[in-house]
Amino acid sequence: QVQLVESGGGVVQPGRSLRLSCAASGFTFGSYAVHWVRQAPGKGLEWVAVVSHDGKNKYYADSVKGRFTVSRDNSKNTLFLEMNSLRAEDTAVYYCAKDFGTIVVLMFFDYWGQGTLVTVSS
Amino acid sequence: DIQMTQSPSSLSASVGDRVTITCRASQGIRNHLAWYQQKPGKVPNLLIYGASTLQSGVPSRFSGSGSGTDFTLTISSLQPEDVATYYCQRSNSVPTFGGGTKVEIK
Repeated sequence: QVQLVESGGGVVQPGRSLRLSCAASGFTFGSYAVHWVRQAPGKGLEWVAVVSHDGKNKYYADSVKGRFTVSRDNSKNTLFLEMNSLRAEDTAVYYCAKDFGTIVVLMFFDYWGQGTLVTVSS
Repeated sequence: DIQMTQSPSSLSASVGDRVTITCRASQGIRNHLAWYQQKPGKVPNLLIYGASTLQSGVPSRFSGSGSGTDFTLTISSLQPEDVATYYCQRSNSVPTFGGGTKVEIK
């Protein structure tokens, strides 16, 4: 069965960096785009970033553009999110989510990880 | 940027009631709309995509309709296990979620 397991969350001071990982299993990882979606405590869902199946194409929400970098290692079935210059408003549970489409990015999500909490606070 | 607006933000209904949630896009998005259910303390679950296609394994009491700017998620007979927050999401270009509709049992 499809599994997505995030790690790397924690408490970090404003302006510092953090790297999240998402280990995937149960599907052909290299055939699917993968996304990061976040949810601030008690709030709604916000899409953060996507990387295409081959890692060549990456897109970001305006709120994180220039600060966050998404990448993947298909040899290790792992997705990453490098977060720099963190702000209090980046505090959220970060989910990795599998795109529904095979090769073609359809921009909606059929499997989600359990999430990892990032808290930005001094 | 295209905005997604859901209404109502919350509702309370009785078991067996027909429940309708509306999602409006600020510009036309054809049928590029998905609906998710997020139960308390759980991760979101895809219910519907392409505005009206039911995801595999989702009960048939859920249905979606609409195209362009106006979309609807309907639960034909509300069940206790349907207590959740429901989100619509634009699925063309930059994914954008609606603000959510919290559904409770009266």
